[in-house]
Amino acid sequence: KQEVTQIPAALSVPEGENLVLNCSFTDSAIYNLQWFRQDPGKGLTSLLLIQSSQREQTSGRLNASLDKSSGRSTLYIAASQPGDSATYLCAVKDSGGSNYKLTFGKGTLLTVNP
Amino acid sequence: NAGVTQTPKFQVLKTGQSMTLQCAQDMNHNSMYWYRQDPGMGLRLIYYSASEGTTDKGEVPNGYNVSRLNKREFSLRLESAAPSQTSVYFCASRRQGVGTEAFFGQGTRLTVV
Repeated sequence: KQEVTQIPAALSVPEGENLVLNCSFTDSAIYNLQWFRQDPGKGLTSLLLIQSSQREQTSGRLNASLDKSSGRSTLYIAASQPGDSATYLCAVKDSGGSNYKLTFGKGTLLTVNP
Repeated sequence: NAGVTQTPKFQVLKTGQSMTLQCAQDMNHNSMYWYRQDPGMGLRLIYYSASEGTTDKGEVPNGYNVSRLNKREFSLRLESAAPSQTSVYFCASRRQGVGTEAFFGQGTRLTVV
């Protein structure tokens, strides 16, 4: 059974700092990995999708990497801003068994202080 | 472009009452999902529909039923609500195929008293 872990559970940084959020998964047989952002009381917004054959994806100040063999992904946020404060979730889509299911980590709560 | 729309946004039920959560997507996606999100538990899959006409159980299906009414709509029904079903419910959809992105609705916050 796939398990996804996100460390740290919470992170507080000063504005302008570069930071890294971590996501690990136990079964490397995945189709892709997706990073989401969730603001308090809101739904999930997709940030980046990395296919299993890719090593990284970039969108603006965000860069996500994937090392499938070691079961790890990182989300790098450059020059953090208070507006980046949110919970960040990663999810993997397995390639074994049912390929319709996304397995989520519990998220990292990020606070960027002005 | 509305994406994934859920109704209602908030609901309070008494134990034993029934209700249906509605979800509709306008992206012509094949697959649709219902998740619940609880503090400390993360998102857990309740039911999913890989395509119109099919539904399957996820991790936590007990106490729920679903209907894939057509390609756009996927509803979640609580027949006899229990306090343990107090949660935030999210609907999601995805175009079928390898490596497609999932899109989520804004959620329904349900409290069962």
